[in-house]
Amino acid sequence: AQTVTQSQPEMSVQEAETVTLSCTYDTSENNYYLFWYKQPPSRQMILVIRQEAYKQQNATENRFSVNFQKAAKSFSLKISDSQLGDTAMYFCAFMNRPYGSSNTGKLIFGQGTTLQVKP
Amino acid sequence: EAQVTQNPRYLITVTGKKLTVTCSQNMNHEYMSWYRQDPGLGLRQIYYSMNVEVTDKGDVPEGYKVSRKEKRNFPLILESPSPNQTSLYFCASSLFYGVNYGYTFGSGTRLTVV
Repeated sequence: AQTVTQSQPEMSVQEAETVTLSCTYDTSENNYYLFWYKQPPSRQMILVIRQEAYKQQNATENRFSVNFQKAAKSFSLKISDSQLGDTAMYFCAFMNRPYGSSNTGKLIFGQGTTLQVKP
Repeated sequence: EAQVTQNPRYLITVTGKKLTVTCSQNMNHEYMSWYRQDPGLGLRQIYYSMNVEVTDKGDVPEGYKVSRKEKRNFPLILESPSPNQTSLYFCASSLFYGVNYGYTFGSGTRLTVV
């Protein structure tokens, strides 16, 4: 079974500093997608960044970047210049790339990491 | 505004009293899905639908029903709620299944069953 593991239940960082959230996953597939979602206190699920497994280049979205290590099945999120508005729970998620009947479009989520940005 | 609308946002009910959580999207998406979020477990898929009249079970379907009579609506039905269904529920949609840009999520329904 495919699984996603976030081993850091809680983290904190000082405003303006950099923090890295860890995520590992397990799959026997070669083609898939990886995502980081942010869930602020409002509960809304917000897509932060996505990575396609066949692309070697790490995805970047403004202050957010990933370190994608396919062989190690690792997908960490780096937040630079942390802001108070980054305080949220962050979820790592995995999805098989669609082919045949084996892909149900399911997002498989990790347990989540609560990030607190301190002023 | 393109969005997924869930109602209600909060709900407290008693064991055994049937309830429906509604979900509607205005983006003409074919794929819709329900998830539940529990502490330490992340989000887990309950049911999904690839198109009108096509639904299937996810990882935790016990105690839930869904229907997809129209493309825009995908209600979640709890015929006889129990306390272990106390959770935060999310509806999500995407244009097709398995797209690489992920899903659009509703704002969640906090359900408490007493």
